[in-house]
Amino acid sequence: DTEVTQTPKHLVMGMTNKKSLKCEQHMGHRAMYWYKQKAKKPPELMFVYSYEKLSINESVPSRFSPECPNSSLLNLHLHALQPEDSALYLCASSHSTGGGEKLFFGSGTQLSVL
Amino acid sequence: DAKTTQPTSMDCAEGRAANLPCNHSTISGNEYVYWYRQIHSQGPQYIIHGLKNNETNEMASLIITEDRKSSTLILPHATLRDTAVYYCTLGRGSSNTGKLIFGQGTTLQVKP
Repeated sequence: DTEVTQTPKHLVMGMTNKKSLKCEQHMGHRAMYWYKQKAKKPPELMFVYSYEKLSINESVPSRFSPECPNSSLLNLHLHALQPEDSALYLCASSHSTGGGEKLFFGSGTQLSVL
Repeated sequence: DAKTTQPTSMDCAEGRAANLPCNHSTISGNEYVYWYRQIHSQGPQYIIHGLKNNETNEMASLIITEDRKSSTLILPHATLRDTAVYYCTLGRGSSNTGKLIFGQGTTLQVKP
C-alpha cells in the first residue's frame, strides 16, 4: 500500500464551525506533513511531525491545530477559520530514516470557508 | 526566498522529449535536487532526485551540471498524461524529515 488517504475530499464550513481533516498512511512512514495550496500557487508547508511529535510549525495561526494520534494518522483541526483559509489542504508522509524529501502526497481536501 | 527558478510554462509535442530546466545557483554542497509534478486536482508526485551525478528511473532522467548550479529534467517520450506543473526544489536528502519548499514551478503542456 503506497497511498496516503485524505478525508473528506471536499469540505464547506462556516467561520464559526469546528471541523477536522484526516490523513492516513500504512507505509510505516514516521514523518507526516500538512501543506496548504491556494489556487494556481505552489504548496506551502504548514506542519511537520516526526515520530508523532511536532517538529516544524511554519508560523501557522492557532486556528489550525494539528494532531498525530499514532504513527499512521494525522489530523488537522479547524476552528474559527476565515474565508482566506479556503484552499486545498495536502497531507504527505515520508520515511523517517534517510527519506529526506521523498514525500508521498494524498489527493488533498478542498476546503471552502463561507 | 525561492532557491530555484524555473520557466513559467513550456509546450512539448506528444512523443517528443520534454526538457525542463531549473536554476539553483545558491545550492549548498549537501543539498539534493528534487523534482515533483502535480497533475490538476491531485497531490504532488515525486519524480526523481540527485546530488551531483545524473540519475535515471522509469519516469525521467535528471541531468545536473558539473558546477551543480542548474539541472534539467528529461521526460524522454512525453504523453498527454505528462501535462502537469513540474516543481524543482532542493533538500538535504539524508535528513530524517524533509522540509520541502516548493517554488513556482513550470506548467508543461503536452500537445498532440
